[in-house]
Amino acid sequence: GAGVSQTPSNKVTEKGKYVELRCDPISGHTALYWYRQSLGQGPEFLIYFQGTGAADDSGLPNDRFFAVRPEGSVSTLKIQRTERGDSAVYLCASSLKSGGEAGADTQYFGPGTRLTVL
Amino acid sequence: AQRVTQPEKLLSVFKGAPVELKCNYSYSGSPELFWYVQYSRQRLQLLLRHISRESIKGFTADLNKGETSFHLKKPFAQEEDSAMYYCALSGRASGTYKYIFGTGTRLKVLA
Repeated sequence: GAGVSQTPSNKVTEKGKYVELRCDPISGHTALYWYRQSLGQGPEFLIYFQGTGAADDSGLPNDRFFAVRPEGSVSTLKIQRTERGDSAVYLCASSLKSGGEAGADTQYFGPGTRLTVL
Repeated sequence: AQRVTQPEKLLSVFKGAPVELKCNYSYSGSPELFWYVQYSRQRLQLLLRHISRESIKGFTADLNKGETSFHLKKPFAQEEDSAMYYCALSGRASGTYKYIFGTGTRLKVLA
């Protein structure tokens, strides 16, 4: 079946602009995660959705970042007043559920959106 | 604090030589450890997880709770193993089973 998809694959914007990044998870996966990967670093957690609700947004760096998942499927990460430091690859991952008695579910990653803020 | 450390940014080995990619972690609770691999121009994909105790593409990893390590090993490296490898940690103590990643190790297998 189709894996996690993300659009756009590349986004170049100017400092101060607003951007939206989209994630389409694997069908039937209730858990959805956003991560950010800066150059030379591993992915860093931003936010986790279980269904429609953000169950953990502790990784969002500040209030310029916001994410939604209104119907429990597609998610959009929104960044207001972009700054050069926001430049990174934004990764989305989904899993069947977050975890449970059998432990953490395997997360499946999308190809990422490379955001460049000039 | 929950943390994953991969001390080597780059590891170069010759084809047919043994490989060991190091991963150490810090975690309060029962950790779950994963190795993800990213081949050139491809997405991150799961290589193996400690719960499964599988050998994938000849790679194995054993969770050593005493040494808080989850090193990835392969007895004979192949050129197609060249990739970026990330160790990741999860578990209930992280709250929501989110992953905590190390900074990654680039493996280069030389002909």
